[in-house]
Amino acid sequence: ETGVTQTPRHLVMGMTNKKSLKCEQHLGHNAMYWYKQSAKKPLELMFVYNFKEQTENNSVPSRFSPECPNSSHLFLHLHTLQPEDSALYLCASSQDLGTGEETQYFGPGTRLLVL
Amino acid sequence: GQNIDQPTEMTATEGAIVQINCTYQTSGFNGLFWYQQHAGEAPTFLSYNVLDGLEEKGRFSSFLSRSKGYSYLLLKELQMKDSASYLCAVRDGDYKLSFGAGTTVTVRA
Repeated sequence: ETGVTQTPRHLVMGMTNKKSLKCEQHLGHNAMYWYKQSAKKPLELMFVYNFKEQTENNSVPSRFSPECPNSSHLFLHLHTLQPEDSALYLCASSQDLGTGEETQYFGPGTRLLVL
Repeated sequence: GQNIDQPTEMTATEGAIVQINCTYQTSGFNGLFWYQQHAGEAPTFLSYNVLDGLEEKGRFSSFLSRSKGYSYLLLKELQMKDSASYLCAVRDGDYKLSFGAGTTVTVRA
């Protein structure tokens, strides 16, 4: 257990569906991240939030929409996805940004399959 | 862009030692991390190096040479549970991590 939980763990959706991924951290951290992990490829940073404010959008298509209502919760809203979006989506959190305490702790991920 | 290279796969015998190399070319450098990821699970933090030299944590050690853009993770007294993917990641600024594709280590009896 890393203190970061994600639901659902597995998700199958059609290209016309709308779904949401949820992440919750119990570590008292202020920064949260979404990553995409495709097979045999490096983790790709998607979004970063610090104190609920988005600080990074790494050229992610608009069919992915993040939401951070508070420092403990992070959502990724999905709509009209493509089959190539099938991947493991990982959430992470860290104490802060830019203070030297940025070791990131990851959740178990949501395995997404788009049909 | 950032370039993090590590071998794709390694195989070793239980009780042996394995060294996973990582080379990097990044626009900046503010620390190097190693993570372990078992299949279907979260990456878990193993080690952090920001200064040159060796950091030892039990059976795992990590080394960094900033001038060479090089790090390695050393796994000693290998156990079956060490079979996993090992991710090298470089922080090039305040917080952004650039990851390698991971090295899958298989430990055989």
